[in-house]
Amino acid sequence: GQNIDQPTEMTATEGAIVQINCTYQTSGFNGLFWYQQHAGEAPTFLSYNVLDGLEEKGRFSSFLSRSKGYSYLLLKELQMKDSASYLCAVLDSNYQLIWGAGTKLIIKP
Amino acid sequence: ETGVTQTPRHLVMGMTNKKSLKCEQHLGHNAMYWYKQSAKKPLELMFVYSLEERVENNSVPSRFSPECPNSSHLFLHLHTLQPEDSALYLCASSQEVGTPSYEQYFGPGTRLTVT
Repeated sequence: GQNIDQPTEMTATEGAIVQINCTYQTSGFNGLFWYQQHAGEAPTFLSYNVLDGLEEKGRFSSFLSRSKGYSYLLLKELQMKDSASYLCAVLDSNYQLIWGAGTKLIIKP
Repeated sequence: ETGVTQTPRHLVMGMTNKKSLKCEQHLGHNAMYWYKQSAKKPLELMFVYSLEERVENNSVPSRFSPECPNSSHLFLHLHTLQPEDSALYLCASSQEVGTPSYEQYFGPGTRLTVT
């Protein structure tokens, strides 16, 4: 079966760095997405990785290792507004998105 | 403003009611999607439309009936729902189906409660 694993909840301090991990087992791989979803709002696109390595976009970076079936989202200089759920999703061989259950990130002052 | 709107934002319905959810995208995309989001569960893909043709139906019960009259509008018709159907229903659109790297743009969702 296809499976995406990510921690259910994480807590971090304002101004700090946090890394949210995602491991996947899917039939085929055509890229990995990270989305952010604030409570009661729509998920919004953060990043897309299809090649191994680190992609940096401002305070957010996303890393992919295809051989390990592993990705992480790195958030630097955390702000209170970063409190949200972070969803990992993999595009499988049929170009269907397989979603993780999301990681709820709580930022404390 | 994400370019994808959904109405209503909240809906409470009895098990014998019939209601419809509406989604509209203003992005000129060719693909539209319905998802179900339940607490602490992954997003469940329900239906996919590409240029008004249904291309995916993930074993969704027949009490959910989609309709795509044109590439900008998508409906989800609901009838004789069960309490376990209570969830957030998200609509999304993307430039194309079946192509990597095209991210999906989501609407704010309809919070559905079945009593």
